[in-house]
Amino acid sequence: NAGVMQNPRHLVRRRGQEARLRCSPMKGHSHVYWYRQLPEEGLKFMVYLQKENIIDESGMPKERFSAEFPKEGPSILRIQQVVRGDSAAYFCASSTTGTSGNTIYFGEGSWLTVV
Amino acid sequence: GQSLEQPSEVTAVEGAIVQINCTYQTSGFYGLSWYQQHDGGAPTFLSYNALDGLEETGRFSSFLSRSDSYGYLLLQELQMKDSASYFCAVNSGYSTLTFGKGTMLLVSP
Repeated sequence: NAGVMQNPRHLVRRRGQEARLRCSPMKGHSHVYWYRQLPEEGLKFMVYLQKENIIDESGMPKERFSAEFPKEGPSILRIQQVVRGDSAAYFCASSTTGTSGNTIYFGEGSWLTVV
Repeated sequence: GQSLEQPSEVTAVEGAIVQINCTYQTSGFYGLSWYQQHDGGAPTFLSYNALDGLEETGRFSSFLSRSDSYGYLLLQELQMKDSASYFCAVNSGYSTLTFGKGTMLLVSP
């Protein structure tokens, strides 16, 4: 039973380019969460999605960032016109239902470096 | 708003017992979770408390006092491999987990 799969594991982008991070949830999970982690910091919530719906994007920057979880295929976190401050680890997690009373399972993360 | 406080670093020796405390302020509370993260790795689930009291899972136990907005993770018989960061996280509603900044545990021989 494969866990949460993220790719790429490492991504280098020049300032102004686009970054696309992909996440396939665990089998049977229909809830996906994206978190960002800066060095020696906690995990900051960005967005929560179910299939074809954004449920909560309160942690997502208003500009340049977007997320989707289509009916078919992985969830995508897209960062347009990247800046150095976007350099971070981006973790995806999934669960069978919402987080109240439930466990979420994390992927290995995607490390974005903006040069 | 929501905030969680936990110590930034704890040190201990192999075989010892260590307690990592977490206090929280949230608008809405369903439960307190604990996650372990080794350097550069995926956060992995350790325990979840929805009700007051102690939950035991092998060498790890977690405690919650809802009236005090306080919980702790207790690690017994420490091993070198327990060196990692430990995060408390609050389930405050339907959609999200809010994480503390983490406690780095250093276990020495």
